[in-house]
Amino acid sequence: DAGVIQSPRHEVTEMGQEVTLRCKPISGHNSLFWYRQTMMRGLELLIYFNNNVPIDDSGMPEDRFSAKMPNASFSTLKIQPSEPRDSAVYFCASSRTGGGGGETQYFGPGTRLLVL
Amino acid sequence: AQKVTQAQTEISVVEKEDVTLDCVYETRDTTYYLFWYKQPPSGELVFLIRRNSFDEQNEISGRYSWNFQKSTSSFNFTITASQVVDSAVYFCALSELNSGGYQKVTFGTGTKLQVIP
Repeated sequence: DAGVIQSPRHEVTEMGQEVTLRCKPISGHNSLFWYRQTMMRGLELLIYFNNNVPIDDSGMPEDRFSAKMPNASFSTLKIQPSEPRDSAVYFCASSRTGGGGGETQYFGPGTRLLVL
Repeated sequence: AQKVTQAQTEISVVEKEDVTLDCVYETRDTTYYLFWYKQPPSGELVFLIRRNSFDEQNEISGRYSWNFQKSTSSFNFTITASQVVDSAVYFCALSELNSGGYQKVTFGTGTKLQVIP
């Protein structure tokens, strides 16, 4: 089975531009997570979807960030406008269910974002 | 609140040495899960192991072994006869249910392991 797919793998943009990151979860998984990884803050959960519904978006930094999951096989994370401090690696992960507390999250390869 | 502490920021060992990566967690729940992930220099996060709070049996997988001790809230990871390919950042994570009945995962800050040939 294919793992979690993310695109693009690398993105370089200028401050003020809109950035859209994409994720395709593992087929059959109904929970999807967006994380951001930086040297300073480590791995941070941004938002968590279960059955396409946002369950916890308390980690979304500010209104410039938005995420959608229009169907079970696709999610986007959008930054508008982007700022240099958004430079990070953004990971998408999926798991089989959201309940029970013990499901393993499988991560995509990440998108390395650089905002100049 | 749940918390995961990986006190070792960086470790360097010479190839073939054994190395143990420490993980200490805090939780109020009696049911929880612990994970280890590996992040090699290429950047992806690779799942290594999952353990539930009711299973304290140690696990061995090849050169990797995990020691889970509830009495000390620790879930340590040992690599035996380390190899250069083991060089990576290793993350410990704790998962439990939040008040809404959904999974909440907390990652440690990671331990960077360098295996020197």
